Amino acid sequence: QVQLVQSGGGVTKPGASVRVTCRTSGFPFTTYGFSWVRQAPGQGLEWIGRISAYNGDTKYGQNLQGRLTMATDTSTSTVYMELSGLTSDDTALYFCARDRGQLDLWGQGTLVTVSS
Amino acid sequence: EILLTQSPGTVSLSPGEGATLSCRASQSLEKRYLSWYQQKVGQAPRLLMYGASTRATGIPDRFVGSGSGTDFTLTIITLEPEDVAVYFCQQHYDSRTFGQGTKVEIK
Repeated sequence: QVQLVQSGGGVTKPGASVRVTCRTSGFPFTTYGFSWVRQAPGQGLEWIGRISAYNGDTKYGQNLQGRLTMATDTSTSTVYMELSGLTSDDTALYFCARDRGQLDLWGQGTLVTVSS
Repeated sequence: EILLTQSPGTVSLSPGEGATLSCRASQSLEKRYLSWYQQKVGQAPRLLMYGASTRATGIPDRFVGSGSGTDFTLTIITLEPEDVAVYFCQQHYDSRTFGQGTKVEIK
Protein backbone atom coordinates (compact mmCIF):
# COMPACT_ATOMS: atom_id res chain seq x y z
CA GLN A 1 0.00 0.00 0.00
CA VAL A 2 1.36 3.38 -1.01
CA GLN A 3 1.51 5.43 2.17
CA LEU A 4 3.48 7.50 4.64
CA VAL A 5 2.94 6.70 8.32
CA GLN A 6 4.25 9.09 10.93
CA SER A 7 5.18 8.56 14.56
CA GLY A 8 6.98 10.37 17.34
CA GLY A 9 6.40 13.92 18.48
CA GLY A 10 4.26 14.54 21.55
CA VAL A 11 4.67 16.99 24.42
CA THR A 12 8.20 18.30 24.96
CA LYS A 13 9.76 21.00 27.10
CA PRO A 14 11.29 24.25 25.90
CA GLY A 15 14.90 23.80 24.91
CA ALA A 16 14.51 20.09 24.26
CA SER A 17 14.59 18.24 20.95
CA VAL A 18 11.94 16.21 19.19
CA ARG A 19 12.16 13.56 16.50
CA VAL A 20 9.41 12.62 14.10
CA THR A 21 9.56 9.46 11.99
CA CYS A 22 7.94 8.92 8.60
CA ARG A 23 7.79 5.29 7.42
CA THR A 24 7.12 4.88 3.72
CA SER A 25 5.80 1.90 1.80
CA GLY A 26 4.52 0.85 -1.60
CA PHE A 27 6.92 2.77 -3.86
CA PRO A 28 10.67 2.88 -4.65
CA PHE A 29 11.97 4.97 -1.76
CA THR A 30 15.27 6.14 -3.25
CA THR A 31 13.70 7.66 -6.35
CA TYR A 32 11.99 10.40 -4.34
CA GLY A 33 12.64 13.38 -2.16
CA PHE A 34 10.69 14.08 0.99
CA SER A 35 9.63 17.38 2.47
CA TRP A 36 8.52 18.31 5.95
CA VAL A 37 5.72 20.83 6.37
CA ARG A 38 4.35 22.19 9.62
CA GLN A 39 1.11 23.87 10.56
CA ALA A 40 0.75 25.87 13.76
CA PRO A 41 -2.70 25.76 15.37
CA GLY A 42 -5.23 27.56 13.19
CA GLN A 43 -2.52 28.68 10.76
CA GLY A 44 -1.38 27.92 7.25
CA LEU A 45 1.27 25.56 5.90
CA GLU A 46 4.97 26.25 6.37
CA TRP A 47 7.54 24.30 4.37
CA ILE A 48 10.54 23.61 6.60
CA GLY A 49 12.87 21.41 4.57
CA ARG A 50 13.51 18.65 2.07
CA ILE A 51 15.77 15.60 1.82
CA SER A 52 16.66 13.44 -1.15
CA ALA A 53 16.33 9.73 -0.44
CA TYR A 54 18.64 9.11 -3.37
CA ASN A 55 21.74 10.84 -2.01
CA GLY A 56 20.76 12.41 1.32
CA ASP A 57 21.09 15.99 0.08
CA THR A 58 19.15 18.38 2.26
CA LYS A 59 17.73 21.87 1.87
CA TYR A 60 16.35 23.60 4.93
CA GLY A 61 14.06 26.58 5.16
CA GLN A 62 15.57 29.83 6.34
CA ASN A 63 13.54 29.97 9.54
CA LEU A 64 14.89 26.78 11.11
CA GLN A 65 18.49 26.74 9.86
CA GLY A 66 20.78 25.34 12.52
CA ARG A 67 18.02 23.65 14.52
CA LEU A 68 16.67 21.23 11.95
CA THR A 69 18.16 17.91 10.89
CA MET A 70 16.72 15.48 8.37
CA ALA A 71 17.92 11.98 7.60
CA THR A 72 16.86 8.84 5.80
CA ASP A 73 17.33 5.12 6.34
CA THR A 74 17.16 3.39 2.97
CA SER A 75 17.14 -0.07 4.59
CA THR A 76 13.74 0.67 6.17
CA SER A 77 12.47 3.34 3.73
CA THR A 78 12.13 5.78 6.60
CA VAL A 79 12.61 9.53 6.84
CA TYR A 80 13.47 11.33 10.06
CA MET A 81 13.09 14.93 11.17
CA GLU A 82 14.69 16.27 14.34
CA LEU A 83 14.17 19.77 15.65
CA SER A 84 16.26 21.09 18.55
CA GLY A 85 16.10 24.14 20.80
CA LEU A 86 12.32 23.97 20.90
CA THR A 87 10.24 27.01 21.80
CA SER A 88 6.51 27.52 22.01
CA ASP A 89 6.62 28.79 18.41
CA ASP A 90 7.47 25.25 17.32
CA THR A 91 4.14 23.90 18.56
CA ALA A 92 2.52 22.58 15.40
CA LEU A 93 1.30 19.63 13.41
CA TYR A 94 4.23 18.27 11.44
CA PHE A 95 3.66 16.50 8.11
CA CYS A 96 6.02 14.52 5.93
CA ALA A 97 5.24 14.48 2.23
CA ARG A 98 6.64 12.81 -0.85
CA ASP A 99 8.24 15.55 -2.89
CA ARG A 100 8.31 15.61 -6.68
CA GLY A 101 8.23 19.37 -6.66
CA GLN A 102 4.57 19.00 -5.96
CA LEU A 103 3.87 17.12 -2.73
CA ASP A 104 1.80 14.23 -3.96
CA LEU A 105 1.55 11.96 -0.94
CA TRP A 106 1.23 13.06 2.69
CA GLY A 107 1.56 11.49 6.08
CA GLN A 108 -1.23 11.83 8.58
CA GLY A 109 0.56 14.47 10.63
CA THR A 110 2.20 14.39 14.06
CA LEU A 111 1.48 16.91 16.79
CA VAL A 112 4.44 18.46 18.58
CA THR A 113 3.51 20.52 21.62
CA VAL A 114 6.17 22.54 23.41
CA SER A 115 5.15 23.26 26.98
CA SER A 116 6.83 23.56 30.34
CA GLU B 1 12.38 33.75 -0.93
CA ILE B 2 9.43 33.65 -3.31
CA LEU B 3 6.26 34.90 -1.66
CA LEU B 4 2.82 33.65 -2.68
CA THR B 5 -0.20 35.82 -1.96
CA GLN B 6 -3.64 34.23 -2.14
CA SER B 7 -6.95 36.02 -2.46
CA PRO B 8 -9.58 36.27 -1.28
CA GLY B 9 -9.05 35.13 2.30
CA THR B 10 -12.50 33.58 2.45
CA VAL B 11 -15.11 32.89 -0.19
CA SER B 12 -18.68 32.00 0.73
CA LEU B 13 -20.90 30.56 -1.99
CA SER B 14 -24.02 28.49 -2.51
CA PRO B 15 -23.82 24.94 -3.88
CA GLY B 16 -23.67 24.99 -7.66
CA GLU B 17 -21.99 28.39 -7.85
CA GLY B 18 -18.48 28.85 -9.22
CA ALA B 19 -15.46 29.87 -7.15
CA THR B 20 -12.31 31.61 -8.36
CA LEU B 21 -9.22 31.49 -6.16
CA SER B 22 -6.16 33.54 -6.95
CA CYS B 23 -2.45 33.00 -6.21
CA ARG B 24 0.09 35.66 -7.07
CA ALA B 25 3.84 35.05 -6.90
CA SER B 26 6.47 37.67 -6.09
CA GLN B 27 8.48 36.53 -9.14
CA SER B 28 7.82 34.46 -12.23
CA LEU B 29 7.31 30.72 -11.70
CA GLU B 30 6.97 29.92 -15.40
CA LYS B 31 4.18 27.35 -15.54
CA ARG B 32 5.42 24.07 -14.26
CA TYR B 33 6.24 25.06 -10.71
CA LEU B 34 2.88 25.88 -9.16
CA SER B 35 0.64 23.41 -7.33
CA TRP B 36 -2.67 23.59 -5.46
CA TYR B 37 -3.76 21.66 -2.37
CA GLN B 38 -7.04 21.11 -0.59
CA GLN B 39 -7.09 20.72 3.17
CA LYS B 40 -10.29 19.72 4.93
CA VAL B 41 -10.72 20.14 8.67
CA GLY B 42 -8.70 17.59 10.61
CA GLN B 43 -7.03 16.15 7.54
CA ALA B 44 -3.67 16.34 5.82
CA PRO B 45 -3.51 18.42 2.67
CA ARG B 46 -4.27 16.69 -0.62
CA LEU B 47 -2.66 17.52 -3.94
CA LEU B 48 -5.24 18.89 -6.37
CA MET B 49 -3.26 20.36 -9.22
CA TYR B 50 0.36 20.52 -10.37
CA GLY B 51 2.11 22.25 -13.24
CA ALA B 52 -0.56 24.92 -12.72
CA SER B 53 -3.19 23.05 -14.72
CA THR B 54 -2.77 19.27 -14.44
CA ARG B 55 -5.23 17.57 -12.12
CA ALA B 56 -3.78 15.03 -9.69
CA THR B 57 -5.08 11.46 -9.69
CA GLY B 58 -8.74 11.21 -8.74
CA ILE B 59 -9.46 14.94 -8.76
CA PRO B 60 -12.84 15.71 -10.37
CA ASP B 61 -12.92 17.87 -13.48
CA ARG B 62 -14.90 20.63 -11.75
CA PHE B 63 -11.48 21.76 -10.49
CA VAL B 64 -9.62 23.75 -13.14
CA GLY B 65 -6.17 25.32 -12.81
CA SER B 66 -4.77 28.04 -15.03
CA GLY B 67 -2.11 30.72 -15.20
CA SER B 68 1.60 31.19 -15.73
CA GLY B 69 4.32 33.61 -14.74
CA THR B 70 3.16 35.31 -11.56
CA ASP B 71 -0.63 34.92 -11.71
CA PHE B 72 -2.43 31.64 -11.17
CA THR B 73 -6.06 30.68 -10.64
CA LEU B 74 -7.90 27.69 -9.26
CA THR B 75 -11.52 27.56 -10.39
CA ILE B 76 -14.17 25.33 -8.88
CA ILE B 77 -16.72 25.31 -11.68
CA THR B 78 -19.72 24.17 -9.64
CA LEU B 79 -19.26 24.07 -5.89
CA GLU B 80 -20.21 20.88 -4.06
CA PRO B 81 -20.71 20.68 -0.28
CA GLU B 82 -17.66 18.41 -0.01
CA ASP B 83 -15.47 21.18 -1.45
CA VAL B 84 -15.58 23.06 1.86
CA ALA B 85 -11.88 23.34 2.75
CA VAL B 86 -8.88 25.62 2.78
CA TYR B 87 -6.99 25.77 -0.52
CA PHE B 88 -3.26 26.47 -0.64
CA CYS B 89 -0.97 27.20 -3.55
CA GLN B 90 2.70 26.16 -3.44
CA GLN B 91 5.72 26.90 -5.62
CA HIS B 92 8.78 24.79 -6.25
CA TYR B 93 10.59 27.08 -8.67
CA ASP B 94 12.98 28.13 -5.93
CA SER B 95 12.89 25.89 -2.87
CA ARG B 96 9.29 25.61 -1.72
CA THR B 97 6.80 28.07 -0.25
CA PHE B 98 3.07 28.07 0.36
CA GLY B 99 0.47 30.78 0.08
CA GLN B 100 -1.49 31.65 3.18
CA GLY B 101 -4.64 29.85 1.99
CA THR B 102 -8.19 30.65 0.87
CA LYS B 103 -11.08 29.26 2.89
CA VAL B 104 -14.09 28.09 0.89
CA GLU B 105 -17.38 28.03 2.75
CA ILE B 106 -20.92 27.08 1.82
CA LYS B 107 -23.59 29.72 2.38
